[in-house]
Amino acid sequence: EVQLLESGGGLLQPGGSLRLSCAASGFTFSSYAMSWVRQAPDKGLEWLSAISGSGVATYYADSVEGRFTISRDNSKNTLYLQISSLRAEDTAIYYCARHGPLLSSVTTNWGQGTLVTVSS
Amino acid sequence: EIVMTQSPATLSVSPGERATLSCRASQTVTPNLAWYQQKPGQAPRLVIYGTSTRATGIPARFSGSGSGTEFTLTITSLQSEDFAVYYCQQYNDWPRTFGQGTKLEIK
Repeated sequence: EVQLLESGGGLLQPGGSLRLSCAASGFTFSSYAMSWVRQAPDKGLEWLSAISGSGVATYYADSVEGRFTISRDNSKNTLYLQISSLRAEDTAIYYCARHGPLLSSVTTNWGQGTLVTVSS
Repeated sequence: EIVMTQSPATLSVSPGERATLSCRASQTVTPNLAWYQQKPGQAPRLVIYGTSTRATGIPARFSGSGSGTEFTLTITSLQSEDFAVYYCQQYNDWPRTFGQGTKLEIK
């Protein structure tokens, strides 16, 4: 069974940084591309970033490029999202999601999310 | 980026009836259009991908159709568990983009 478990969220101050993690199990992690998607309180879904199985290829939403960095450690079956210069509008639930076999595939499995709250 | 527009924002339908949700893309995305279902407090769940293919475990009352820039999710014989928010997403180009969602509520 595919399992994705996000962690690293919490209450943070504006201007700070954090790293979110997504621990994967139940599949060969290195064979699948992964994405991060967020959802602000009572808002819709916003795709943020994707990374290929090898980690070589990465893509970002225009709104976060330069401030967010996606990475992965295939030896630890873990996906990461580094966020810098935190803003109040970064407050959201952050989901990791697994693609199908290709980076171009649809996202088929989602974690339960981790809540990030940015406030002074 | 490709802008996805869903309509209506809210759809009120009685159990047992049919619901039709629409999604429009600002440029062609065929066939790379997906639909997700999200219930309160839960993560999104893939319902339809490739415009018309049901995801694993999705009942046959869910169907997707469309091409080019116009897409539809149809749910026949609505069950209580179908009332949720539905999002369309294009995965034809980067960045991937979602529609703003349609809330399917009980009439």
